[in-house]
Amino acid sequence: QVQLQESGPGLVKPSETLSLTCAVSGYSISSGYYWGWIRQPPGKGLEWIGSIYHSGSTYYNPSLKSRVTISVDTSKNQFSLKLSSVTAADTAVYYCARWGHYFDYWGQGTLVTVSS
Amino acid sequence: QSALTQPASVSGSPGQSITISCTGTSSDVGGYNYVSWYQQHPGKAPKLMIYDVSNRPSGVSNRFSGSKSGNTASLTISGLQAEDEADYYCSSYTSSSTPYVVFGGGTKLTVL
Repeated sequence: QVQLQESGPGLVKPSETLSLTCAVSGYSISSGYYWGWIRQPPGKGLEWIGSIYHSGSTYYNPSLKSRVTISVDTSKNQFSLKLSSVTAADTAVYYCARWGHYFDYWGQGTLVTVSS
Repeated sequence: QSALTQPASVSGSPGQSITISCTGTSSDVGGYNYVSWYQQHPGKAPKLMIYDVSNRPSGVSNRFSGSKSGNTASLTISGLQAEDEADYYCSSYTSSSTPYVVFGGGTKLTVL
């Protein structure tokens, strides 16, 4: 059974960089699929942030591309998200998920609040 | 890179059928058979219900079905049950300039 688990700080100060990691178990990232990040502001809808292949090939949401970096560590079977220059508008539940033109396995999500 | 358009809310009584629409463009919904639907209960992660327009993952009830016509995809839930009350999101792969994923704004389903 594929499982994903997000981890990282729950509170980030404005203008700083949000950093999250997604640990994958039950499936080797190197075996295939893309791996993605999705966020959901409180009371709002889902927004795709970006996706990465095990080779390191990435696709980013054009609206966030200038601030987003997604990387993969196949040795640890995990992938990571960095979002720079955060503001209150980046407060959201952040999910990681496996992507094969659809998101079939999701992490439980982690709330990140941007506040001083 | 606009979000796909969904009705904000739909409702139905137990046993009835409802349909949720998801309207995009020829660059996303209309251009690829990569439409997926997700169910989200409060405080929970989204759950995949339909992928590639009309396919159900293992374990998803056959009361859920998907279809597409032109730039509009649809999710139909038949034999509504109380546990179907949730938010539903559609999503599509798109590649107008660079490949990416777009979601609909979400539809709140109320079972009366």
